[in-house]
Amino acid sequence: DADVTQTPRNRITKTGKRIMLECSQTKGHDRMYWYRQDPGLGLQLIYYSFDVKDINKGEISDGYSVSRQAQAKFSLSLESAIPNQTALYFCATSSGARGEQFFGPGTRLTVL
Amino acid sequence: GQQLNQSPQSMFIQEGEDVSMNCTSSSIFNTWLWYKQDPGEGPVLLIALYKAGELTSNGRLTAQFGITRKDSFLNISASIPSDVGIYFCAGPPLIQGAQKLVFGQGTRLTINP
Repeated sequence: DADVTQTPRNRITKTGKRIMLECSQTKGHDRMYWYRQDPGLGLQLIYYSFDVKDINKGEISDGYSVSRQAQAKFSLSLESAIPNQTALYFCATSSGARGEQFFGPGTRLTVL
Repeated sequence: GQQLNQSPQSMFIQEGEDVSMNCTSSSIFNTWLWYKQDPGEGPVLLIALYKAGELTSNGRLTAQFGITRKDSFLNISASIPSDVGIYFCAGPPLIQGAQKLVFGQGTRLTINP
């Protein structure tokens, strides 16, 4: 079984809709991250959390919110989706010891 | 925000050729990471480097942590079709501890059979 899972894997939605992407991990890591990847580009950090009570904004947090429901679960919400939020979204986890992060398979989100 | 300069941006090679790519930064890193991303999938960690000058191999892949701590190199020997994908360098800048990673823009590798 995969250590980091994301649901859904694909989602098509309309402008203005609220969307939630979910991430679960079985690695026992405290640190969890959400990234966005646009076609042909690298990864941009949206939000990150070092434990259940800790939430931090990344480089591109506007238009997004997160919830850390448990050590193993970190969800990303788009309150009112817009077309330029069409992208691949990745969750990642880390033990924090040396900076290595382990990524989920991604969610492909299309906003029409 | 800070970025790593990764080159080349793309490579088109013949199967069996060796590949080299590198990553540079204006600031010091205490860890260098190399990831591979297949189309539609998440990045997978290939090699992690922790010490300046360190040379580490993973099968046909070899990576080095530059002496200045501001660069790293990844080499792939005798490329095969499954090496196709995008390779990213990444690392936590020393100033940030191990909190966040910065990523290179990626090197897209295409192999002609």
